Amino acid sequence: GAGVSQSPSNKVTEKGKDVELRCDPISGHTALYWYRQSLGQGLEFLIYFQGNSAPDKSGLPSDRFSAERTGGSVSTLTIQRTQQEDSAVYLCASSLGPGLATYEQYFGPGTRLTVT
Amino acid sequence: SQELEQSPQSLIVQEGKNLTINCTSSKTLYGLYWYKQKYGEGLIFLMMLQKGGEEKSHEKITAKLDEKKQQSSLHITASQPSHAGIYLCGADRARGAQKLVFGQGTRLTINP
Repeated sequence: GAGVSQSPSNKVTEKGKDVELRCDPISGHTALYWYRQSLGQGLEFLIYFQGNSAPDKSGLPSDRFSAERTGGSVSTLTIQRTQQEDSAVYLCASSLGPGLATYEQYFGPGTRLTVT
Repeated sequence: SQELEQSPQSLIVQEGKNLTINCTSSKTLYGLYWYKQKYGEGLIFLMMLQKGGEEKSHEKITAKLDEKKQQSSLHITASQPSHAGIYLCGADRARGAQKLVFGQGTRLTINP
């Protein structure tokens, strides 16, 4: 079946511009995660959505970063006034959980963001 | 310092040889995940380990979890070119939280 999809696959933007990254999770997965992978920091957690609950934003690096999840499905990660240090691969993942059980997270191919 | 340390950082082995990648946590593990990453393909889920002493296998890849040592190892038997890539371990920091923290990855190259 269809996996997690992300768009665009690549994005080049000028410093100071806003960007929107999209994630389509696997159908039926209630949990959605955003991670960022950069050379200096490795793979780091950004934000997590579970059903209709308030998102866990504890990993967002600054208030320029925000994310929404509409209708419990598609999510958009927005970065305002982009900086060069925002350049990274942004990965989205979805899972069935969580809950008392632990479910594997399935990752999308990522969006490679380059801020010039 | 990293919460999850992977070793080695890179590994070059000849096709057909066995290899082991280690992942050590500085904090309590509630779940340990192994992923493989190839350029442009995101992360591919390999295995998840939850209980101490647990061992799982998928084709020629075996992973073990030593809960006391807070360590996991990934072992590949008779390596093939298709095994090349970056192997990442990830860990849950609270039961069911699933805000994974990741190691820096191990880059595996298989020489024919």
